[in-house]
Amino acid sequence: SAVISQKPSRDICQRGTSLTIQCQVDSQVTMMFWYRQQPGQSLTLIATANQGSEATYESGFVIDKFPISRPNLTFSTLTVSNMSPEDSSIYLCSVWQGARETQYFGPGTRLLVL
Amino acid sequence: DQQVKQNSPSLSVQEGRISILNCDYTNSMFDYFLWYKKYPAEGPTFLISISSIKDKNEDGRFTVFLNKSAKHLSLHIVPSQPGDSAVYFCAARENTGNQFYFGTGTSLTVIP
Repeated sequence: SAVISQKPSRDICQRGTSLTIQCQVDSQVTMMFWYRQQPGQSLTLIATANQGSEATYESGFVIDKFPISRPNLTFSTLTVSNMSPEDSSIYLCSVWQGARETQYFGPGTRLLVL
Repeated sequence: DQQVKQNSPSLSVQEGRISILNCDYTNSMFDYFLWYKKYPAEGPTFLISISSIKDKNEDGRFTVFLNKSAKHLSLHIVPSQPGDSAVYFCAARENTGNQFYFGTGTSLTVIP
C-alpha cells in the first residue's frame, strides 16, 4: 500500500493568514485528492490534484480559497488561504491506487484557526 | 444531501462478541464500497471493500455484506477485540467516477 506523509501534522493559526499543507507519497500515483473533515462530519472532498494541470474542485470549494499544486506524481500541496475559524478542520491527503482498487489516506493535518 | 449515511454514531460491544456496523446509501449508481477504520490523530485506514457484483466479502475477522435492493451494507467484526475500538467509515463510489462519498462514521467501543 502507498505510504503517505503530511506536513505539518497540526497547526494553530491566526485569522486572515494562510497555511500550506504538504503531502508526500512514497510511490508515483496518478490521482491525489484533498479532503476535509470538520468536527462531527464526514470526509468531504475538496479537490482532485491533477499533475501538470489545474486541480478539479468540488462544489463549494474554489481555487482562490484552496489553491493546490501538483508538481509531480509523488507530491502535492494544499493552501488554506485567508483563514477563518470555520476553516478549523482536519485536512487529509489521499491517493487512489487503481491496481488495488483502494484509496489510501495520509495521517491528516489538524488545523485550528483562532 | 448526504448520499451515504451511518445512522448509529456509536456502538459498544463486549470483547469476543460480534460488532455489526451499518451503512445506507441513496445513489443507485454506486457500484463500489469500502470500509475504513480511523484512530484518533491518524488518517483513515482501509479495511475491506466490496463490488456491487458481490453480496459478501470476507477478510479474516471482517466481513462486509451488501444488499443492493435495500441499498444497505454492513460490516461484521467477529470476534471483536479491544483494538478494534475506533471510528468506522463507509464510503461509496459511482460507476462513472473516482470520487468517494463518505458516511459520518460510527464510533465502536469494544469493552474488555
